[in-house]
Formats: sequence, C-alpha cells, structure tokens
Amino acid sequence: DIQMTQSPSSLSASVGDRVTITCQASQDISNYLNWYQQKPGKAPKLLIYDASNLETGVPSRFSGSGSGTDFTFTISSLQPEDIATYYCQQYDNLPQYTFGQGTKLEIK
Amino acid sequence: QVQLVQSGAEVKKPGASVKVSCKASGYTFTGYYMHWVRQAPGQGLEWMGRINPNSGGTNYAQKFQGRVTMTRDTSISTAYMELSRLRSDDTAVYYCAREVGYGSLGYWGQGTLVTVSS
Repeated sequence: DIQMTQSPSSLSASVGDRVTITCQASQDISNYLNWYQQKPGKAPKLLIYDASNLETGVPSRFSGSGSGTDFTFTISSLQPEDIATYYCQQYDNLPQYTFGQGTKLEIK
Repeated sequence: QVQLVQSGAEVKKPGASVKVSCKASGYTFTGYYMHWVRQAPGQGLEWMGRINPNSGGTNYAQKFQGRVTMTRDTSISTAYMELSRLRSDDTAVYYCAREVGYGSLGYWGQGTLVTVSS
C-alpha cells in the first residue's frame, strides 16, 4: 500500500502569513494527489485536485504543486477563516485511496 | 444542486452490524462512484471503499474486507454502507462522498455518527 506522510502535524501562523504543508508518498504517484480542508464538525471540502488544480469556487490564495513523491500545499496569505485541518489524499493506487495524517492549522 | 443526505446517528453494541444510508439528489445517481470515508473521534480520514452505482461493483480497503458491504438502490438514488462485527474502535463519523472527477471527492454527506458501546 502507498503511505502518505504529511507534515507538519500542526502549525501555528499569523494572519497574512504564507503557510506551507508537505505530503510525501511512499512511491511515485505522478500527480494523483488531492488536498482537502476540514473545519471542526464539518465534512471535508476538496480544494486542490490533480496536485495543482484549484477546485471551482476555491480562493486563489490556495495552491498546490509537486509530482512523483513530493507535494506541497500553500496558502499565500493566511486568513482567519482558513483555520482547519488539511489532508492530502492519493488516488494513484486505485482502488486503495490513502489520506495523509492531517495538518491542524491554528492562528498565532 | 448536488446533495448527499445521510441517515441519523446510531448506537450499537459490540458484535452487531450497522447500515448507513446516503440519499443522493441533484444529479444522475448512476453516473458517479460513491465512496465511504470514516473519521474516528479526534483522528484523521480513513477511506473504506467505493461503489459504482451503475453496475453495483465495489472496491473495499483491505482493512475492511470481509466486514464491509456497500450496496445501492438506484430506484431511490441511495447508497448504503453496512459494517458488521462492530468493535469499539469502529466508533466514528461515517461519510459518503461522490467523485467529481477521477479520484477526487467533491461532494460529501453530512456524516453519520456510529457509536459502538456495550
């Protein structure tokens, strides 16, 4: 099975900061990687698909990059409403999807 | 608009089974895979499997093979996830989620809390 290692597990940043989260796959997954945002008590929300494509309606301050085994998720200017937990998810090894462990983002 | 509405919370005893439903509306039910993802309290997301609503074909995560059954009723646009031989560590919120593209889960139900306790 493909393992996804996400880091950091938690992160504290100030409003306006640039925030970066990384996700590493245990083997080459091409660009078959998504990023989700989950706010407390809510279902996850798809933000980025195919590693770098912004889902419709998602603010442009969110972005993703990478291919192969190393991926990055970036918030260019942190906003208060971005407080959430973020997950990466691979879908190369269908039908065995795998999520990263999550990164809990807090405001400093 | 696409909506996925799940059944209500359940409390089950260890060893029992639970069946969660997910009623879809706003799109052609048979056109998109439906997935099930669970989240234990304070923990991350765990993919359980998926069903092709058109054919009924399923793929399950290895961890749940033999304990999970995913079905659908196309006449009422509803998907089901049944988990058997429940244990306390199956206590979690269970979500259905629809693909929006290859591998991407773009629509989610509201979640169903299943509590397993003696």
